[in-house]
Amino acid sequence: DIQMTQSPSTLSSSVGDRVTITCRASQNINSWLAWYQQKPGRAPNLLIYKASSLGSGVPSRFSGTGSGTEFTLTISSLQPDDFATYYCHQYSGWPRTFGGGTTVDMK
Amino acid sequence: EVQLVESGGGLVQPGGSLRLSCASSGFTFRNSWMHWVRQSPREGLVWVSRISSDGTNTAYADSVEGRFTISRDNAKNTLYLQMTSLRAEDTGLYYCARDWGGYGPTSVDYWGQGALVTVSS
Repeated sequence: DIQMTQSPSTLSSSVGDRVTITCRASQNINSWLAWYQQKPGRAPNLLIYKASSLGSGVPSRFSGTGSGTEFTLTISSLQPDDFATYYCHQYSGWPRTFGGGTTVDMK
Repeated sequence: EVQLVESGGGLVQPGGSLRLSCASSGFTFRNSWMHWVRQSPREGLVWVSRISSDGTNTAYADSVEGRFTISRDNAKNTLYLQMTSLRAEDTGLYYCARDWGGYGPTSVDYWGQGALVTVSS
């Protein structure tokens, strides 16, 4: 199975901060990577697919980069609605696998 | 608006069975591949199973292979997950999710709100 490792596990930030989350795959997944945002008690919401393509209705402050084994999700200016947990997800191989999550909380 | 509504979760003893359902609306269900994904504090998000749009092609995580069966009824716009020989480690919130489809590798875009399955004596 392809292992997905996210860092950090928790990120304490303030509104307006630039936030960067890293995801590493245990093998080459090309650009077959998605990012999801999840808030407490809610289902995950697709933010980014194919490493850098913005999901439907997702604000432009979210961006994704990377290919191969190293990926990043960046929030250019953190907004109050962005405090949540973020997951990376590879869909290059089966089984599909997810990272352990990064929780962005208020500093 | 895409809507996925799971039902059928509950408390079951180890070795027992449960069937989850997922009613869909707001998109053409019969054209979409579908997935089940589990979330638990112990394991995080874990892909469980997927089924092709016509139901002929299925796949499972190794941990559930032989115990779980995914199926669908395109006339009823409903996805199912039959779970048997349940174990404590199957405990979690089970999400029904739609595959975004298209060319090349794909995965899930819309998720339901989940059905909670607790396996305990």
